[in-house]
Parts: sequence; C-alpha cells; structure tokens
Amino acid sequence: GAVVSQHPSWVICKSGTSVKIECRSLDFQATTMFWYRQFPKQSLMLMATSNEGSKATYEQGVEKDKFLINHASLTLSTLTVTSAHPEDSSFYICSARAEGPNTIYFGEGSWLTVV
Amino acid sequence: AQTVTQSQPEMSVQEAETVTLSCTYDTSESDYYLFWYKQPPSRQMILVIRQEAYKQQNATENRFSVNFQKAAKSFSLKISDSQLGDAAMYFCAFVGSGNTGKLIFGQGTTLQVKP
Repeated sequence: GAVVSQHPSWVICKSGTSVKIECRSLDFQATTMFWYRQFPKQSLMLMATSNEGSKATYEQGVEKDKFLINHASLTLSTLTVTSAHPEDSSFYICSARAEGPNTIYFGEGSWLTVV
Repeated sequence: AQTVTQSQPEMSVQEAETVTLSCTYDTSESDYYLFWYKQPPSRQMILVIRQEAYKQQNATENRFSVNFQKAAKSFSLKISDSQLGDAAMYFCAFVGSGNTGKLIFGQGTTLQVKP
C-alpha cells in the first residue's frame, strides 16, 4: 500500500543551527502534504499545508520564516527549522493526501532535540 | 472554524472488556469525514476507523465500531474485547469537504488496558 517516509527519525542539533526534515511519498503523488507538531502527551497541531509548486499555507501563530517548507516535487516536502532553539524540540510528523476520498497517510515522524 | 473535542484525557479498561471513547465536533459543513487514529508509543499514526458523514450506517472494523450521531455532532469509538495491544493514545479527527486532507484533531484519550 501507499507509504509515506519521513527522514530523519531522530536528529539532534545545536542551538542556532538549521535542520531539515524530509517527507516523501513513496508510491503515489502528493500535491498536498501537511506538517504537524506534537508535544509529549498532547495532540497533533497543524503547522502548515505544503502545496506542490506553490507557497505553503501556515496556520495562525506559526512563524513561516522559522519553519521553512518547500514542496518542490510531487513526492517530496521538506520542513527546515531555522536558527533552532531548545523550545523547538518536539516531535514533527507529516501526512500526505493520496487519491480517493480523504485518503491520508502519515510519515513515521521525526524527533528533534535542540541542545 | 471546525473544532474537535475529546473530553476524556485518560480511560482504563480490563482486558476482554468493552470501552467507549467519546468525541464531539463542531462544524457548519454537511459533508465531511471523521476518523479515529491510534498512536502507540512508537508515535506512528494508525488509522482505526473512518466514517463518511453522508452515510447513516455506523462504520465497523472488526472489534472497533463507531456511534455516529450527526445531529448531535457526536462520534464515539467502541472497542470490544479489549486487548493489551489496544493500549495507546487515541485521536478523533475531522476533515471537511473538498478532499483537502487537512485533519483537525481532538486532544486525545490515553487508553490503558489492564490484564
């Protein structure tokens, strides 16, 4: 079946540096992908909608200059956390919409730790 | 704006017993989809069951079934014959018409299964 791959699963970076997380649809084309952030024991908070070939749509309160999203192909969306700070440490997970009525697949998620 | 509310932060059930997780939502749309997702400690999002709003019949998937009350905007999940592997965080989610794939999640319910 359809699979969404997210990489890396774990990443540790130094404060002030940038880190990139990839979300890839392996056997289907995804014109739309979504990025969520999840703190421990909390729900998934939608950060932005990634649209292939156009600018991402960010949710209210999400800094677009800090969380850069690029969706350059029909199978790949990337989230770059720029100038990372310890408060950016979190679990980030992507989803992709496939063909069919609201057929949605999730990546495995990425743990980001900023030290 | 659509909202999803799960009023039970934690629930507990004895193995082999039945448990019901509650979910209510608010929307002005008439056509939408509702989901229950399971998130085990691995953090992988697993689709448990899906319900189309235009269908009056409640969805079922093996031991999992829903009670969909459209007028009351209620969407509860019943787990029968609970198993130890059912222990996880469960999220109720909503996506509106237009096949956008943009999920709105409830706060989540942590389910404990006691042997």
